[in-house]
Amino acid sequence: KNEVEQSPQNLTAQEGEFITINCSYSVGISALHWLQQHPGGGIVSLFMLSSGKKKHGRLIATINIQEKHSSLHITASHPRDSAVYICAVINSGNTPLVFGKGTRLSVIA
Amino acid sequence: DVKVTQSSRYLVKRTGEKVFLECVQDMDHENMFWYRQDPGLGLRLIYFSYDVKMKEKGDIPEGYSVSREKKERFSLILESASTNQTSMYLCASSRVSIGIRTNEKLFFGSGTQLSVL
Repeated sequence: KNEVEQSPQNLTAQEGEFITINCSYSVGISALHWLQQHPGGGIVSLFMLSSGKKKHGRLIATINIQEKHSSLHITASHPRDSAVYICAVINSGNTPLVFGKGTRLSVIA
Repeated sequence: DVKVTQSSRYLVKRTGEKVFLECVQDMDHENMFWYRQDPGLGLRLIYFSYDVKMKEKGDIPEGYSVSREKKERFSLILESASTNQTSMYLCASSRVSIGIRTNEKLFFGSGTQLSVL
């Protein structure tokens, strides 16, 4: 079974800072998700990627398949970015996602 | 936008009660999933379903069962609730893509916080 590790577990940043959250996994995958969970529980899918880089607004996700590593970057962070960010991977074949334990981000004004 | 609706936001039940958690999605998705989320443990898969009347066990199915009689509805059943089933329960759905069933964007419900006393 794939092991998914996220770092850091907790992160506090000042508004405007550039933020990086990392995700490493142990076994080759077909794709990787980045998810966002705000206080109150709802989870939103941010990105799904299998190679290279994707950008949406101030969020950028990259993946290096050879190194089994992905990063989520937030530029010009804002207090509304405060949330738990979760990485999840899809192994090859018809298997469900394997989730990391999440990174709790707090952005202070 | 896809909507995944969970019937209750908060639920309080007594030990031994039978508990039903309902999930409905409105985008004709084939895949539906039930997860529980506990502090420090992340999301863990309880059961999933790829089609009507189909179900497969996830990582922690003990003490749970599921029902998928209609494509849009996936129910999680706690046959006899216990205190260790106190948790946040999240339902999700996704479309099937050819070849890799779960290689699609996931849509989540808002979650049900279940407390078993």
